[in-house]
Amino acid sequence: EAGVAQSPRYKIIEKRQSVAFWCNPISGHATLYWYQQILGQGPKLLIQFQNNGVVDDSQLPKDRFSAERLKGVDSTLKIQPAKLEDSAVYLCASSLVNLWYEKLFFGSGTQLSVL
Amino acid sequence: DQQVKQNSPSLSVQEGRISILNCDYTNSMFDYFLWYKKYPAEGPTFLISISSIKDKNEDGRFTVFLNKSAKHLSLHIVPSQPGDSAVYFCAASITFNSGGGADGLTFGKGTHLIIQP
Repeated sequence: EAGVAQSPRYKIIEKRQSVAFWCNPISGHATLYWYQQILGQGPKLLIQFQNNGVVDDSQLPKDRFSAERLKGVDSTLKIQPAKLEDSAVYLCASSLVNLWYEKLFFGSGTQLSVL
Repeated sequence: DQQVKQNSPSLSVQEGRISILNCDYTNSMFDYFLWYKKYPAEGPTFLISISSIKDKNEDGRFTVFLNKSAKHLSLHIVPSQPGDSAVYFCAASITFNSGGGADGLTFGKGTHLIIQP
């Protein structure tokens, strides 16, 4: 079974530039999550999708971050404009359904450096 | 305000001995707890979980204990092996009352476990 795919693996940009990350969840997984992991911290949830609808985006900085999952499969996360504090690993995760016992499967992440 | 706390950034244990990783939480609404393991340059992978209706869950060498009154859980690894060297994240979630859905996980900062030969 193929895992959660993310690209790019690394990205270096200057502050005020824009950047986009892509995620392809495990086939058939209805729930998709984007997490931000700053160095030395645990992953922090940014947004949760159920199919193509948003379940929770309360921690997404909506003035600069946006995410979509138009067809209920792939998802993109965008930052525009980027700030220095956005330097982090952005992790995508998926689960079969949005049930409490379903474990999350994580991708390897995109490491973003904002200079 | 950190709702899930792992107060030991790192832990060094000799191969073959027991590793005990600790986690505390402050939100009494959390009712499902998980441990994830992370190797460098990889995403976290699920290790073991426990529901708040239990106080212990065992899976091979891994056992998780939950003390609800103390809002504390621990992960025991016996015996510790070199491949166990990784960062371990404690995570918690709140399950909904109806429909069984859950919110996203709240993670601790992680504990870097080092197994020494």
